[in-house]
Amino acid sequence: AQSVTQPDIHITVSEGASLELRCNYSYGATPYLFWYVQSPGQGLQLLLKYFSGDTLVQGIKGFEAEFKRSQSSFNLRKPSVHWSDAAEYFCAVGSISSGSARQLTFGSGTQLTVLP
Amino acid sequence: EAQVTQNPRYLITVTGKKLTVTCSQNMNHEYMSWYRQDPGLGLRQIYYSMNVEVTDKGDVPEGYKVSRKEKRNFPLILESPSPNQTSLYFCASSLSRQDTQYFGPGTRLTVL
Repeated sequence: AQSVTQPDIHITVSEGASLELRCNYSYGATPYLFWYVQSPGQGLQLLLKYFSGDTLVQGIKGFEAEFKRSQSSFNLRKPSVHWSDAAEYFCAVGSISSGSARQLTFGSGTQLTVLP
Repeated sequence: EAQVTQNPRYLITVTGKKLTVTCSQNMNHEYMSWYRQDPGLGLRQIYYSMNVEVTDKGDVPEGYKVSRKEKRNFPLILESPSPNQTSLYFCASSLSRQDTQYFGPGTRLTVL
């Protein structure tokens, strides 16, 4: 069964600092990977996704993520955090080749606090 | 505007009183899902539907029912709600299983 681990429950960074949120997945087949962001009281918004090709993926709001198959990781990065980035971030994994129609498995989330 | 809508957004009810949370999408998407979100657990899939009249269980289906009589609608039914179903519920849809999911705004349910 596929699974996703986000090891950091809560991260605090200062505005303007760089950010890296970790995501490790477990799945035997070819994965496809997503990062979603959830602002307080809001639904989930897609930041970026990886299906195939270039392992460095650019997303919205200046975020990027790098797929590393050897490490089973898909870490999210941003070079300079803005106060508006404070939110909860979810990594999700699905399979392109699985016969199951079940779509995505989500990690437990990382809460990001941005200090002024 | 392309969107997924859910109603109600907030609901407080009592144990055993049947309720339905509606979900509707206007993007002609084939695939729809229901998730519940609980602190520390992330999102867990309750049920999903690949198309009209085709539904299947997700990871946590106990205590829930769904139906997909029309492509655009995917209601979540709690026949006899219990306090452990107090949660934040999200509906999502996508063009197909492999496409990006679009999420509704969420329904916060409290069962007393």
